[in-house]
Amino acid sequence: DVKVTQSSRYLVKRTGEKVFLECVQDMDHENMFWYRQDPGLGLRLIYFSYDVKMKEKGDIPEGYSVSREKKERFSLILESASTNQTSMYLCASSLLVPSQPQHFGDGTRLSIL
Amino acid sequence: AQSVTQLDSQVPVFEEAPVELRCNYSSSVSVYLFWYVQYPNQGLQLLLKYLSGSTLVESINGFEAEFNKSQTSFHLRKPSVHISDTAEYFCAVSGGAQKLVFGQGTRLTINP
Repeated sequence: DVKVTQSSRYLVKRTGEKVFLECVQDMDHENMFWYRQDPGLGLRLIYFSYDVKMKEKGDIPEGYSVSREKKERFSLILESASTNQTSMYLCASSLLVPSQPQHFGDGTRLSIL
Repeated sequence: AQSVTQLDSQVPVFEEAPVELRCNYSSSVSVYLFWYVQYPNQGLQLLLKYLSGSTLVESINGFEAEFNKSQTSFHLRKPSVHISDTAEYFCAVSGGAQKLVFGQGTRLTINP
């Protein structure tokens, strides 16, 4: 089975801090994605990557950046955390084929105080 | 560009009753369609997918969905629900790009 592991289930940070969310997948998938999930809004794509060192903006990239130095690891960075970034963050991976499903981690619930 | 609309944000049903969760999409190209399920405090899991061929697709736990091209719909159904089906369900579409577009989600609540 595909395993997507997010480094933290719960995280509490303060306004202005630089926050790193880490995601690792073990199935050699080319694509990796970061979403945020908010009630009533579904999943919104922040960034995705289809190869090492490659990244594409999603629908809501403002306030975020990403890093993909190795194929299996995709990091989401909040440069200066703000309270409106309190949310559930989900990482996913997939093969480089549009018909293949995405596989998700269990999520990180991030609170910015 | 694609978009997905899940017509109900919440669906309460009694145990052993049938349920339908509605999903409509818009796309100018051929699509792949997915239903995902999210149990409390977990990530999303693939429930079923439509890629091509038979318009009726089934999951291992009794759910089925029917692709209707003329109505641009992909509704999810189960003839008899169980308490363990309580979860949030997401419909998603891929139009050939690497990205998925998700609906807003439908929270299914099963009452005993």
